Amino acid sequence: GQSLEQPSEVTAVEGAIVQINCTYQTSGFYGLSWYQQHDGGAPTFLSYNALDGLEETGRFSSFLSRSDSYGYLLLQELQMKDSASYFCAVRGGTYGQNFVFGPGTRLSVLP
Amino acid sequence: NAGVTQTPKFRILKIGQSMTLQCAQDMNHNYMYWYRQDPGMGLKLIYYSVGAGITDKGEVPNGYNVSRSTTEDFPLRLELAAPSQTSVYFCASSYTTRGLGTGELFFGEGSRLTVL
Repeated sequence: GQSLEQPSEVTAVEGAIVQINCTYQTSGFYGLSWYQQHDGGAPTFLSYNALDGLEETGRFSSFLSRSDSYGYLLLQELQMKDSASYFCAVRGGTYGQNFVFGPGTRLSVLP
Repeated sequence: NAGVTQTPKFRILKIGQSMTLQCAQDMNHNYMYWYRQDPGMGLKLIYYSVGAGITDKGEVPNGYNVSRSTTEDFPLRLELAAPSQTSVYFCASSYTTRGLGTGELFFGEGSRLTVL
């Protein structure tokens, strides 16, 4: 089976940097994705790491360590619009056909 | 492009009724998924399909059925609705080949189902 852990809530102020961690247990690991979801909306894709290391996309970066079964999402220069829930998702299964989501981290950005 | 389209957006069912949630994608994606999301929780995988005629169970398949007769459509059937099936249902799709892909799922807007 697959299981993921994330902190339930994180709070930060505008302009700050915040890191959201994700640890996972899985078989057939292919990669780790991150999604953002605003209240009442659908999840939207942020990033994907298939290999160890850091991927940078604008203000967002994502890191993966396959040996530690660990990843994180780094959000820089926080803005009020970044207040949302963030989910990590493991791509796994026999040939990468499954995407299993973590419980989510609710980020609140304060003025 | 429409992307992933779900219908209906809202529905109220009585206990024991049945219904089908429709999902269609126009991106020629081979993989399609159904998730449910309870308030304040993560997404749980119900069923998925890797191509027309091929479906498989996810984490929480009980009380649901799916079919995939075409690449574009992946309906989710609820038989004998129960209050525990009150949730938001998301359909998603991706284009993936064995071991390769961007890890990106494209989601529909969701279908909010209440069972009373």
